[in-house]
Amino acid sequence: QVQLVQSGAEVRKPGASVKVSCKTSGYIFTGHYIHWLRQAPGQGLEWMGWVNSNTGGTNYAQRFQDRVTMTRDTSTSTAYMELNRLRYDDSAVYYCARYGGNSEFDHWGQGTLVTVSS
Amino acid sequence: SYELTQPPSMSVSPGQTASITCSGDKVGTKDVSWYQQKPGQSPVLVIYQRSTRPSGIPGRFSGSTSGNTATLTISGTQAMDEADYYCQAWYSSTVVFGGGTKLTV
Repeated sequence: QVQLVQSGAEVRKPGASVKVSCKTSGYIFTGHYIHWLRQAPGQGLEWMGWVNSNTGGTNYAQRFQDRVTMTRDTSTSTAYMELNRLRYDDSAVYYCARYGGNSEFDHWGQGTLVTVSS
Repeated sequence: SYELTQPPSMSVSPGQTASITCSGDKVGTKDVSWYQQKPGQSPVLVIYQRSTRPSGIPGRFSGSTSGNTATLTISGTQAMDEADYYCQAWYSSTVVFGGGTKLTV
């Protein structure tokens, strides 16, 4: 079965960076884009961007353009999201999700809580 | 920027029909998806391409679109359907989510 397993919770100070991993299994990794989304406490879902699991190409939401980097490692079927220059309002649960190909996200990781605190 | 608007909350009695709306520019022409999210859990896809149910999603969930509104309908709502629901669509290579609707059963 399709699984996306994310790395564990992280605590960072303002201005630092965090890198979250998303290890996939149960399907051909290079056949589906991986998207990253986040959800601040008590808030809705926010899309951050995607990485083409085959080519490594990326597309980022404009508000994260200068702070985020999404990569992938095809040898381990793992996608990564690194967010730099963290601010307090970056505290959120970060999700990776598999793009199903019909405009939808058909499988999600369990989420990674990132807390930005001094 | 594009926006999708959902009612923040709604309440339905068990066995009744819940209709959650999602309004936005030309939503009726887009492949809208809907997600269910229960507290402390990841979102789960319940409808995609406006009206298609993924395997494993009960038949009481259905979707439709008309004009500038997409609607998720839950027929014969059950207590287990109490959750937050989000609509999602693509606008100009950007993914947009509605603000979410908290459904109380």
